[in-house]
Amino acid sequence: DTAVSQTPKYLVTQMGNDKSIKCEQNLGHDTMYWYKQDSKKFLKIMFSYNNKELIINETVPNRFSPKSPDKAHLNLHINSLELGDSAVYFCASSSVGSGETQYFGPGTRLLVL
Amino acid sequence: RKEVEQDPGPFNVPEGATVAFNCTYSNSASQSFFWYRQDCRKEPKLLMSVYSSGNEDGRFTAQLNRASQYISLLIRDSKLSDSATYLCVVKWWTGNQFYFGTGTSLTVIP
Repeated sequence: DTAVSQTPKYLVTQMGNDKSIKCEQNLGHDTMYWYKQDSKKFLKIMFSYNNKELIINETVPNRFSPKSPDKAHLNLHINSLELGDSAVYFCASSSVGSGETQYFGPGTRLLVL
Repeated sequence: RKEVEQDPGPFNVPEGATVAFNCTYSNSASQSFFWYRQDCRKEPKLLMSVYSSGNEDGRFTAQLNRASQYISLLIRDSKLSDSATYLCVVKWWTGNQFYFGTGTSLTVIP
């Protein structure tokens, strides 16, 4: 059983396009996250979201928007893709009940041409 | 200054060696501390949480020094399978955000 899943695994697209990455967790966690890992392997938080609160890292461009249809899903929508958006995007989830351990999805490798 | 800083390495050690990684954090109001492991082209996975009194899990020992704001990870009797990037992670008292260090690369050599 996959705990945190992401689709697609790979995404190659042109500059200026709009794309979405989907994330689902079946762990019953109440908080989900999106991270960006760049070519230097630095893992940077973009958003954290639970039913009550969306926390946005102020350095994230407003072209990026999280959308949560329900507790088990947190999708990432990106408008007007730029070359610098190329990176690996990881979704994660956690809850107080899990001891705050974050469980990560396998990542989505985005390449903007 | 970054929220969490680590020596990126790389650390290349022979099998059986003992290796230690350190990590410093900037926010004294940090609440929770973790070490994650990330294999090449894979997602990060929890290695161990770090408790105030220090804790051990087999060959791995984690220490926390709140006064100096640093965390350490000690790996004894290194195995080839320990080769990976080790990420220091800090969570603040407020908010739900976790801050990752840049990671320390370890290669264990036969």
